[in-house]
Amino acid sequence: EPEVTQTPSHQVTQMGQEVILRCVPISNHLYFYWYRQILGQKVEFLVSFYNNEISEKSEIFDDQFSVERPDGSNFTLKIRSTKLEDSAMYFCASSERKPGQGSEQYFGPGTRLTVT
Amino acid sequence: AQSVTQLGSHVSVSEGALVLLRCNYSSSVPPYLFWYVQYPNQGLQLLLKYTSAATLVKGINGFEAEFKKSETSFHLTKPSAHMSDAAEYFCAVSDRGQAGTALIFGKGTTLSVSS
Repeated sequence: EPEVTQTPSHQVTQMGQEVILRCVPISNHLYFYWYRQILGQKVEFLVSFYNNEISEKSEIFDDQFSVERPDGSNFTLKIRSTKLEDSAMYFCASSERKPGQGSEQYFGPGTRLTVT
Repeated sequence: AQSVTQLGSHVSVSEGALVLLRCNYSSSVPPYLFWYVQYPNQGLQLLLKYTSAATLVKGINGFEAEFKKSETSFHLTKPSAHMSDAAEYFCAVSDRGQAGTALIFGKGTTLSVSS
């Protein structure tokens, strides 16, 4: 069964450093997403991406964040200058159709980011 | 704005007992509703979804949920709990139509199952 994959599974970085989290969505999916889950808190939407541009972003997704689909398979989340409060589990997801059509989102296993 | 409230951050049941996890939503239009499960150190797995075809939705692993518009609820149930059901469960809502693409999650309910 096709699945969303994410690398690395765990990333440790120092405050102020740039990190890139990588995701490979399901191959025939057109919509891509990033969510994060701070330890003990709920899953929060960061950004959605379709047709090589951002469709929607939350207030969390400020200028320190960017997303890119550098090739036909990868989808990346970059944090330019990490802060302690960026420590969280980051989930990538993809869906075949628009969410407004009830298309479910398939989630990857997550990347745990620890900022020290 | 849409929101989801999950009543009870922690639910404990005995093996074989009924599982009931509560979810209430707030939305200006009937939304799409989802239940996801997260096992320890794993990602989110879709249990079931409501998209208006039927108010009683059956999902994987014996779970089902009923959409009740009058109560703005989408509670998750399973007649008989199994030890392997121990996990965190998230209710989520998304906007019907073109407007939104995000899933809005509740805070989650941790289900514990004792033998």
